Amino acid sequence: KNQVEQSPQSLIILEGKNCTLQCNYTVSPFSNLRWYKQDTGRGPVSLTIMTFSENTKSNGRYTATLDADTKQSSLHITASQLSDSASYICVVSRSMDSSYKLIFGSGTRLLVRP
Amino acid sequence: NAGVTQTPKFRVLKTGQSMTLLCAQDMNHEYMYWYRQDPGMGLRLIHYSVGEGTTAKGEVPDGYNVSRLKKQNFLLGLESAAPSQTSVYFCASRPRETGNTEAFFGQGTRLTVV
Repeated sequence: KNQVEQSPQSLIILEGKNCTLQCNYTVSPFSNLRWYKQDTGRGPVSLTIMTFSENTKSNGRYTATLDADTKQSSLHITASQLSDSASYICVVSRSMDSSYKLIFGSGTRLLVRP
Repeated sequence: NAGVTQTPKFRVLKTGQSMTLLCAQDMNHEYMYWYRQDPGMGLRLIHYSVGEGTTAKGEVPDGYNVSRLKKQNFLLGLESAAPSQTSVYFCASRPRETGNTEAFFGQGTRLTVV
């Protein structure tokens, strides 16, 4: 079954601290993996995309990793800010048909406290 | 450039009433999607469209209908609303080119059925 599992479900950290969010997937055949940030009351916005051949990619304070062998990805946030408080969603794209269906994880809700 | 716009943002319906959610995108994207987001669950695909005049069922299509008469618009209809359809609905669009293209989301419609 094509699934995307994220952990932890929720996380509270102090401003300035680092954190790492995890994503495990069983989606096949794999096309790519995206991390989305969803602010409260808003739609998801893409942070970064990882394709099969990529291991690490950074976008400012966000660094995503991908291990295609173990089907795991992580999103590391450095020096957290209050504006990082949001849900982070891992989304895997299947490549079996032209519509490239997206499989969504349930997200990690991050709260950054001052 | 407005991106993906959803109308309305909020709505309360009585059981049995009908309504239509409108999604409009100005990016000339071929693919459009309707998702619902429920607490503790990932976004689930209701219906999608790969082009003007075409629609297809997603994983949770029951109780919903869609139409894509114009490329820029994707309508989601509820013929007879039920409390189980209380959810946040997101529309998304993406270009056809490859599976690596980003999906752009609207801001969501919060629907409550009482």
